[in-house]
Amino acid sequence: EVQLLESGGDLVQPGGSLRLSCAASGFTFSSFAINWVRQAPGKGLEWVSSISYSGGSTDYADSVKGRFTISRDNSKNTLSLQLNSLRAEDTAVYYCAKGGEEYQLVSLYMDVWGKGTAVTVSS
Amino acid sequence: EIVLTQSPGTLSLSPGERATLSCRASQSVSSRYLAWYQQKPGQAPRLLMYAASNRATGIPDRFSGSGSGTDFTLTISRLEPEDFAVYYCQQYGSSPIYTFGPGTKVDIK
Repeated sequence: EVQLLESGGDLVQPGGSLRLSCAASGFTFSSFAINWVRQAPGKGLEWVSSISYSGGSTDYADSVKGRFTISRDNSKNTLSLQLNSLRAEDTAVYYCAKGGEEYQLVSLYMDVWGKGTAVTVSS
Repeated sequence: EIVLTQSPGTLSLSPGERATLSCRASQSVSSRYLAWYQQKPGQAPRLLMYAASNRATGIPDRFSGSGSGTDFTLTISRLEPEDFAVYYCQQYGSSPIYTFGPGTKVDIK
């Protein structure tokens, strides 16, 4: 079964840092682009960041560019998102989501999602 | 940046009824780049449709998608109790790569 499991969410003060992880299983992790998508409480979905299957290409939403860093370790089937300079507006559930097509720098859609990990930025 | 608008915001229907959800883009979008997701309370989104009209794995055939250009539609032919949820459309583009619509909530009348 294809699964993604996020971890690392926590309560952090404004200006603080956090590292989120996503553990993948049930598919050839190194063949698929992976994304982070977040959802603020009671709000809709917002794309955050994407990384290509090889890790050689990354992209970020303007709202997090320069503060967040996405990376992957294909030998360990894990994805990470380093969150720095956190703001109250970064409070959300963060989902990792698998791209739907193999060997694409970016996929057209996301076919498997993890259950999410909650990040709260508050003093 | 392409902006997606979904209507209606809330759709109140009874089980067995037909649901028609609209997603409108601010600029023309290739149908290949349009997807739909379902999200139930407390759960992660689930892919329903990709390339506008292709059902994802395991999605029942009461779900169908159509459209082109700036207007896309998700139709649920006969609502089952498990279909009451929020539905998002998503387009793939450039800067940002993905944008989502604000969602349509389908609730029980």
